[in-house]
Amino acid sequence: AQRVTQPEKLLSVFKGAPVELKCNYSYSGSPELFWYVQYSRQRLQLLLRHISRESIKGFTADLNKGETSFHLKKPFAQEEDSAMYYCASNSGNTPLVFGKGTRLSVIA
Amino acid sequence: EPEVTQTPSHQVTQMGQEVILRCVPISNHLYFYWYRQILGQKVEFLVSFYNNEISEKSEIFDDQFSVERPDGSNFTLKIRSTKLEDSAMYFCASSHAVRDSRTYNEQFFGPGTRLTVL
Repeated sequence: AQRVTQPEKLLSVFKGAPVELKCNYSYSGSPELFWYVQYSRQRLQLLLRHISRESIKGFTADLNKGETSFHLKKPFAQEEDSAMYYCASNSGNTPLVFGKGTRLSVIA
Repeated sequence: EPEVTQTPSHQVTQMGQEVILRCVPISNHLYFYWYRQILGQKVEFLVSFYNNEISEKSEIFDDQFSVERPDGSNFTLKIRSTKLEDSAMYFCASSHAVRDSRTYNEQFFGPGTRLTVL
């Protein structure tokens, strides 16, 4: 069965410090990996998908098939990055399987 | 930019009552989903809907739940007899059915309905 693991419930960093939000997955086929972000009082929105290999708001995530990881990184955290971050996986139009989420708190 | 909308934003009901949560997916999307998130827990899949029928459902989606697309724009989730443990945020999502290099299969989420069962 698909599973997505985010080991950290809360991550606090100082403004300007690097950020890494961890995500590991298990899936028997060819999964698609995503990072969703939920800012305070807002809806879940897609931040990144592995297939597009893009950088959004300074965040990047590389799919490492050997380690089955899709960690989210940003070299310099900003206060506006404070939010809940969810790693998710699916294949095609199948339902998303979410991790438990990591709350990122960026301290000024 | 088109968005998924959900009504109401908050629903309070008594245990045993029926509730209907409403969603308006993005108009040219063909796949529809319901997820829920119990407070402090992760987002969990309930059901997906395509071509006017359920395409997949989870163990959570038992006989107390049903979905409908009554008029070609709304997508509803009905809970027939609510239980205390149904209290959660319910998210609707929609996506294209056909992949392309730009949109891929991104699921767009609504703002959620907070259901409180007393």
